[in-house]
Amino acid sequence: QKEVEQNSGPLSVPEGAIASLNCTYSDRGSQSFFWYRQYSGKSPELIMFIYSNGDKEDGRFTAQLNKASQYVSLLIRDSQPSDSATYLCAVTFGNEKLTFGTGTRLTIIP
Amino acid sequence: GAVVSQHPSWVICKSGTSVKIECRSLDFQATTMFWYRQFPKQSLMLMATSNEGSKATYEQGVEKDKFLINHASLTLSTLTVTSAHPEDSSFYICSARTWGGSNSPLHFGNGTRLTVT
Repeated sequence: QKEVEQNSGPLSVPEGAIASLNCTYSDRGSQSFFWYRQYSGKSPELIMFIYSNGDKEDGRFTAQLNKASQYVSLLIRDSQPSDSATYLCAVTFGNEKLTFGTGTRLTIIP
Repeated sequence: GAVVSQHPSWVICKSGTSVKIECRSLDFQATTMFWYRQFPKQSLMLMATSNEGSKATYEQGVEKDKFLINHASLTLSTLTVTSAHPEDSSFYICSARTWGGSNSPLHFGNGTRLTVT
């Protein structure tokens, strides 16, 4: 069973601080990793994707991938109240299907 | 702007009736689309993979005769929930890849909230 695990939270972070979201996956052969943000009642929107070990930065967001540890994370710098949402980690397990974690609910406290 | 358009955004229907949801790719052709379902406070679960010009591939536990998928063109896939029951009430979301192969990201439609009374 291919699995993607996330801490469901809620994770509360003060405004302006760094929010750190973590995700582990079960298949060592996984190749593609995605972070989506989902506001309540809305569909997911893509934030970042990463394929290679290391860090990938896009504005206030940094994705980190460690394939040896089967671990991918998302850092949000200078957190804003508008970042409050559920963050979904998704992994492609060797085929074109995307498997989602259960999501981490993030709350930014003003 | 949105690259995947889904309609309707919400629908309420009576138990036993059928509901059709449309998913369109905007400004790109999608030979494959994916249909997900999300129950409250749960993650997205893949229901089926819609393939243009051929039969859809359903995930284990999803009834193909209940959830009819038609992908008749490169820009349109439809999901019909037949003989809907209250337990089918959920958030249905379609998605497609706008570029690249199987490792490229999915872009989602705005979703359809179905309520069966």
